Amino acid sequence: SQQGEEDPQALSIQEGENATMNCSYKTSINNLQWYRQNSGRGLVHLILIRSNEREKHSGRLRVTLDTSKKSSSLLITASRAADTASYFCATDAQGRGADGLTFGKGTHLIIQP
Amino acid sequence: SQTIHQWPATLVQPVGSPLSLECTVEGTSNPNLYWYRQAAGRGLQLLFYSVGIGQISSEVPQNLSASRPQDRQFILSSKKLLLSDSGFYLCAWSVLAAHEQYFGPGTRLTVT
Repeated sequence: SQQGEEDPQALSIQEGENATMNCSYKTSINNLQWYRQNSGRGLVHLILIRSNEREKHSGRLRVTLDTSKKSSSLLITASRAADTASYFCATDAQGRGADGLTFGKGTHLIIQP
Repeated sequence: SQTIHQWPATLVQPVGSPLSLECTVEGTSNPNLYWYRQAAGRGLQLLFYSVGIGQISSEVPQNLSASRPQDRQFILSSKKLLLSDSGFYLCAWSVLAAHEQYFGPGTRLTVT
């Protein structure tokens, strides 16, 4: 079953607005990560938040993690046209070991100029 | 700095033909290596991962196989392609399991 589920599936906003995407997961984790994928390209790592952290910032990105609700959110502030992409959350599951991460289906973000 | 290469970038193959996709990593030693498949508009499905030369673990039973003949080389193969094998194949590496992964540019495979 899918460990990470993002919502919404698609989001369209005006340039300059903030974009918020959510991710829910099912099992206990060591960390949660967010990735960006431009159309037809590989994924790019954005940010990693550990299970003992509640909030993390990187530039215009803000990630929160609520382990009691098994959910995370990614906020992109002051969006730009270049932020148009799909965004995926990925989780490791405690005890899974070397098989790494489980990715959600992604949120497709469109920034309207 | 580390780089990851995949080739070919695009591939169109008939049903029943063989497949070989290659991934190489530069600038790091003994990486964990991963093959993912992404169907159109969907998330990533982990196919294989490897923690060392000759060590391959499969996540999903299918007609695909993987090999790691060298430390920084990961190959995805099939003896006979199916229509359902079409998709976007991504190779990735990480220093350790559950750490951030670094992805290659991907191979777009269309089976006709």
